[in-house]
This record gives sequence, structure tokens and C-alpha cells, in this order.
Amino acid sequence: QLQLQESGPGFVKPSETLSLTCTVSGGSINDNNYYWGWIRQPPGEGLEWIGSISYTGSNYYNPSLRTRVTISVDTSKNQLSLRLSSVTAADTAVYYCARRFNSNWLRYFDYWGQGTLVTVSS
Amino acid sequence: DIQMTQSPSSLSASVGDRVAISCRASQTISDSLSWFQQKPGKAPKLLIYAASNLRSGVPPRFSGSGSGTHFTLTISGLQPEDFATYYCQQTYSTPYTFGQGTNLDIK
Repeated sequence: QLQLQESGPGFVKPSETLSLTCTVSGGSINDNNYYWGWIRQPPGEGLEWIGSISYTGSNYYNPSLRTRVTISVDTSKNQLSLRLSSVTAADTAVYYCARRFNSNWLRYFDYWGQGTLVTVSS
Repeated sequence: DIQMTQSPSSLSASVGDRVAISCRASQTISDSLSWFQQKPGKAPKLLIYAASNLRSGVPPRFSGSGSGTHFTLTISGLQPEDFATYYCQQTYSTPYTFGQGTNLDIK
């Protein structure tokens, strides 16, 4: 059974960089059939897609965050990572990593991590 | 960006009821539409993909329909475990966007 587990600091100071890691187990990140992504959810609010990446490193980001976000993969560790720079209180959210099935026309997020709350506060 | 609008925002129903949640896209998205269920403190769970395909393991009382700009999630015969928040998401083009959610609670 595929499992995704987010990890990283629960608190980040304003203007600093948020860094999270997602470890994939029960399956390989080296799979042409999937992309891997990050999605966030501020407390009590809706869901926002941050960006996605393939195991080859092909990535694309939400334009609203593009200047501040970097998503990368480490295939040797079966991990993906998220870095979000210059954070503010508006970046306080539960951050999820998720797997996205990928074909020419069929795309959906089928497996999600449990999420990790990151609070931006001084 | 493609805007996704769900209605209603909240819905009260009883066990055994049949309910429908609507999701409209601001432009055509073909059938690139997923439905998720989320319970408090938990990650979203995929129910339906490609507008009408039931994910393996999801009870058949859940069904999805629609294409283009108008989609519907129907739950036939509500069970106690179905009371949750439901989101639609388009994966037609980036940035992938979600509806604002529909909170389904017990009447």
C-alpha cells in the first residue's frame, strides 16, 4: 500500500524559508505514470494546489507562488521536497504531498499524505 | 485560472437521504474533474475521477456525472460516515483549482 509522509518544522519565522520533505513508501517515485505534488490548506479554508513534479524533475507551479516555490525530487531516497521562500502569516497552512496519476488526458490525485501544519509566526 | 464554484456551500440531510452537490467550471474542462471527501483533521480522499469514474474501494452510493462546465456528485442513501466536506477539483489545466467546498452535516 502506497504511503506518503510529510515532515519538517512546524513553525517558521516570517521572511524565512519553509522546507518540507515527503517520503514515499510502498512504491517507487521513479514511475512514468505519476507526477508528485504539493497542496496546502489554510486552517478552516479550502485547498490550493502549489505545484507538481515528475521523477525526471519536470515541474510546474501555481503562478501565484511561482516566484517563491521550488519543488524537487530525490529518487535515491524516494522523496520529494518543497521550499517556499519569504513566508508570511498567509502561508500558515496544512501542507499535503500527493501522487497524481498522469496520462495524456487522465489526471487525478489518488494518494495523499496525512498533512503537516506549518505555522508562520515570530 | 479556471474558477470552480460549488453549490450549495452547506447542506443538511438525514441518514438515508439522496443528496446532490453541484460544481461549475468557469470554462470547459472536458471531464477532467475529481471529487474528494474530507473529514476534520484528515487528508482529502479521492472518490471520483474523470467526472464519473468511481475509485476502487469507494462505495457505489457515490456517483459522479457531467462534462464540459457542469458536474454533479450524488450520494444515494446517506450513511453516518458520509457527513463531511466535499471538494471538486479540475485537472484540465494548471493551476489545478478546487471548489470552495460543500459541508454536508446531519439534519
